[in-house]
Amino acid sequence: RKEVEQDPGPFNVPEGATVAFNCTYSNSASQSFFWYRQDCRKEPKLLMSVYSSGNEDGRFTAQLNRASQYISLLIRDSKLSDSATYLCVVNAIRSDKLVFGAGTILRVKS
Amino acid sequence: ETGVTQSPTHLIKTRGQQVTLRCSSQSGHNTVSWYQQALGQGPQFIFQYYREEENGRGNFPPRFSGLQFPNYSSELNVNALELDDSALYLCASSSMGDSWRTQYFGPGTRLLVL
Repeated sequence: RKEVEQDPGPFNVPEGATVAFNCTYSNSASQSFFWYRQDCRKEPKLLMSVYSSGNEDGRFTAQLNRASQYISLLIRDSKLSDSATYLCVVNAIRSDKLVFGAGTILRVKS
Repeated sequence: ETGVTQSPTHLIKTRGQQVTLRCSSQSGHNTVSWYQQALGQGPQFIFQYYREEENGRGNFPPRFSGLQFPNYSSELNVNALELDDSALYLCASSSMGDSWRTQYFGPGTRLLVL
């Protein structure tokens, strides 16, 4: 079983749609959680950290469920520029080893 | 931009050769991590350097080695290259003083082994 699992997609959605990505992780010692975005042939870029109480950044909302070891990302009012691969990332306490999921591909179409 | 730089951007090598990749960390960051990203996969942790010493290693063989210099820049060396080493090699810098240890990635080096 992979440490971090994501639905690979692709998710093909029209502009303005709301889309949700889910991610599960297997290491219960994981303490920090992130969503990174990766454009084609580019490096991953931090989209947002995920806090225990959930957090929102503009059109993006992240949720964490420690009991179920589940992380989600909700994107509202999708833009063409949101098209990318979204990587779910976790790391264990006091560990700097980031464990990445394989990513979920999002394609937003006009 | 993150301020993390890597060189070269692209590289072609043949099996059995050796390669050195370089990374300069973001100003104020003292830790460098290296990742390998194969096509269609998420990045895989190779190792991390802090205070010029290896500070954690992933599941990679000893032919993957590294260095960190006093200015916090870093090198990744791969000996006896294999075809499966073809990948995007990413370095990420962070600060031990940051409780989240947020890592910021450089643009990567694309290595093709023929």
